[in-house]
Amino acid sequence: GAVVSQHPSRVICKSGTSVKIECRSLDFQATTMFWYRQFPKKSLMLMATSNEGSKATYEQGVEKDKFLINHASLTLSTLTVTSAHPEDSSFYICSAMGGGFYEQYFGPGTRLTVT
Amino acid sequence: AQKVTQAQTEISVVEKEDVTLDCVYETRDTTYYLFWYKQPPSGELVFLIRRNSFDEQNEISGRYSWNFQKSTSSFNFTITASQVVDSAVYFCALSEAYWNYGQNFVFGPGTRLSVLP
Repeated sequence: GAVVSQHPSRVICKSGTSVKIECRSLDFQATTMFWYRQFPKKSLMLMATSNEGSKATYEQGVEKDKFLINHASLTLSTLTVTSAHPEDSSFYICSAMGGGFYEQYFGPGTRLTVT
Repeated sequence: AQKVTQAQTEISVVEKEDVTLDCVYETRDTTYYLFWYKQPPSGELVFLIRRNSFDEQNEISGRYSWNFQKSTSSFNFTITASQVVDSAVYFCALSEAYWNYGQNFVFGPGTRLSVLP
């Protein structure tokens, strides 16, 4: 149990376009979801925390207008990278908590490349 | 503020050697959780262990073992008889008590382990 999926696993987009990444909890209701960013050969940095039905809380230095997060249901959170630039290229990982588990379950990640 | 240090950036060992990955943490909380994750080249994080601050017993799971020492704020990870499939980046992480769980989940910088045949 406690499986988290992400879609797509890889995406290439052109500079200036927007791209949406989905994070789903497949077998539990995720009251809280987290979005992380990982640069090559670096650690994971928390970008934002989203609770179902409310606005996301962004970490310092993360532009909320650039990285739009929506947590519209207990099983789905989306991260939209707006007007993407090459420097947004990164590995984005989501995680989810809920279902009575005090545990954070990670998705498989999405590799974004902006050309 | 919480902090996790993994002093070893990269380690290379030959298959069947034992290897220990170091993790030192800082926190002001008396209740906290420590974790180890494995990240293979595919990128997906693989959960290895969670330990709460009140449980200092060492744990062994197959070839993996963990040594938690509050006195030195360390939570080291040992792989016995390493295998090529153990090659990955290993992250140590720290979280406050569950009511502040994710928002204060801090990863260490990671240690890249290469196991050579």
